[in-house]
Amino acid sequence: GQNIDQPTEMTATEGAIVQINCTYQTSGFNGLFWYQQHAGEAPTFLSYNVLDGLEEKGRFSSFLSRSKGYSYLLLKELQMKDSASYLCAVRDDSGNTPLVFGKGTRLSVIA
Amino acid sequence: DTGVSQDPRHKITKRGQNVTFRCDPISEHNRLYWYRQTLGQGPEFLTYFQNEAQLEKSRLLSDRFSAERPKGSFSTLEIQRTEQGDSAMYLCASRPRQGAVTDTQYFGPGTRLTVL
Repeated sequence: GQNIDQPTEMTATEGAIVQINCTYQTSGFNGLFWYQQHAGEAPTFLSYNVLDGLEEKGRFSSFLSRSKGYSYLLLKELQMKDSASYLCAVRDDSGNTPLVFGKGTRLSVIA
Repeated sequence: DTGVSQDPRHKITKRGQNVTFRCDPISEHNRLYWYRQTLGQGPEFLTYFQNEAQLEKSRLLSDRFSAERPKGSFSTLEIQRTEQGDSAMYLCASRPRQGAVTDTQYFGPGTRLTVL
């Protein structure tokens, strides 16, 4: 079966750093994605990892360890607008298969 | 705007009525996906198309649901005899052709369905 786990909620302070973890168990693996979703809006693409290691994109970085079935999203210099849900998703093969999503982590950034 | 668009953005209907949603993908993307999302959950896959061919349907897609992509461009999702359990956000996503540099799915704004 497919299983993707991430914490339900997190709270962090403006200006700080927060790490959102994701573990996955899927029948195959062809990439892990992070999306940001503000309340009532569609998910927007943040990052994509297919090889082990860290991908950095501005204030956002994403890490992958395929052997551990583990990823994290790191957000630096948190801003109030970063308050949103962060969705971890896996593509389990190289074809047209859809993404399998976790339930999302709701991040609240406080002053 | 060259992103994915969906219409309508909101739909309120009475139980038992039929509804139809439309998705217009990014023009050069040949793959199109429909997902459903309820509160506190991640998107759940419903069905997808490559060009005009519907290649996979989820078990979530009961026989009251039908989707088409007649010319390989826009797609429609119809729900017949709606039930209160159909209330959700219906998301469409498009994906570029295989071999594209950034092979990811780009989501539209969604259609929020409320069944009374």
